[in-house]
This record gives sequence, C-alpha cells and structure tokens, in this order.
Amino acid sequence: DQQVKQNSPSLSVQEGRISILNCDYTNSMFDYFLWYKKYPAEGPTFLISISSIKDKNEDGRFTVFLNKSAKHLSLHIVPSQPGDSAVYFCAASAKGDKIIFGKGTRLHILP
Amino acid sequence: DSGVTQTPKHLITATGQRVTLRCSPRSGDLSVYWYQQSLDQGLQFLIQYYNGEERAKGNILERFSAQQFPDLHSELNLSSLELGDSALYFCASSAGTGPYGYTFGSGTRLTVV
Repeated sequence: DQQVKQNSPSLSVQEGRISILNCDYTNSMFDYFLWYKKYPAEGPTFLISISSIKDKNEDGRFTVFLNKSAKHLSLHIVPSQPGDSAVYFCAASAKGDKIIFGKGTRLHILP
Repeated sequence: DSGVTQTPKHLITATGQRVTLRCSPRSGDLSVYWYQQSLDQGLQFLIQYYNGEERAKGNILERFSAQQFPDLHSELNLSSLELGDSALYFCASSAGTGPYGYTFGSGTRLTVV
C-alpha cells in the first residue's frame, strides 16, 4: 500500500523551462514532506523539505508547494538546467517517524 | 563522498545463499536506516537502529535481519536468498531519530542468480 504516490514515472522538460513534479499522499498523519534527488550510481540526496504548517518553501531554483486539503505536493524547478536530470523522490514523515518514499519520477532536461 | 560508507558495492550470489551488507554511518550520526529499492519500486523502508537499539521496523522479511554494533556500524543480513531479493540496498544515517538530515550511502547492488 503506497502511502506516497508519484504517478508520473518520467517527465521531459526543455532546458530553461519550468519542471513540475507531483506527489500525492494518503496518510493524513504526515506532517513533514521532503524531496530527494538521485543520480545513477549514487545514493539519494536531500533537496528541500516543508512542514505541514506551511504551504510553500523556496530554496533558490526549487520551490515546494503543499496542499493539505488535497493531500498533494509539488516541486517546481525554475529554470530547469541539464544537471537537474535525475530521479526525484517525494517523501513524507509522520510525527517525527522514519521517512516513507514514493517510487520516484525520472526527470529529463532536454537541450 | 556523503560520509556514509556501504560495502560491498556489488554482490552476485546464488539462490539459497546468505549475504551480509555493511554500513558505516557518517561520523556523529547515531541512527542507521536500511532501505531496499527494487525494479519499479521506490525506496522501501526496512529497519531503523538508533544507538544500537532497534527503533522502527518496516516491510522487512523474516529472512532478513540487521543489527547495529557499539561502534555504530550496521549490518544487514539476508538469508535464503530468492531471485526477487535482487535490488539496491541503501543505508542512510542521521544524527537523531527524526526525519531530518538523512545522508545516504551509494548503495549495495545485490544480484541473486
């Protein structure tokens, strides 16, 4: 039973445009959300996070939006760069518990 | 280099065998987490240790076991291996027990033939 769902296995975006990666969750106890990025042959690395008391968090080119009523979050990357090509994992945690990950979305940035 | 060391990087073994995967956490981190990434699956949480004690258990099979030693390194033991156990096994560490500051190793790729 997937508590964190990333329904798009892959996404292709032109360099310089906006990349939007989506994530849905089912567990209403989740109160902390994260995005991790993974390159081939490497472990996932932390990208950005958001607490459930906020609806937006920004860090440079990366912004995460949280819609609690819809149990939906999204990651926006603006502008997209070639180095952003990677697998992005959406993740969540409930009450300081361990992190639960989605299946990931592979982002391809096209030249 | 993330500071989390996993060995070996690759492992090929036969069905029915037993293997041990090793993880050395980042210096100062007390928590170790094990995750499994199979084809078409995300990172499935297996188990967490904090300062030598088991803290949380996920979808870990009975054929699998883990422990964290006094020097804080951890080992994941997989026995009676099946073809379906072929996967990437990641270890992560963090300072505390919350969902903050997980640092992942580069993983061990296990292939069961």
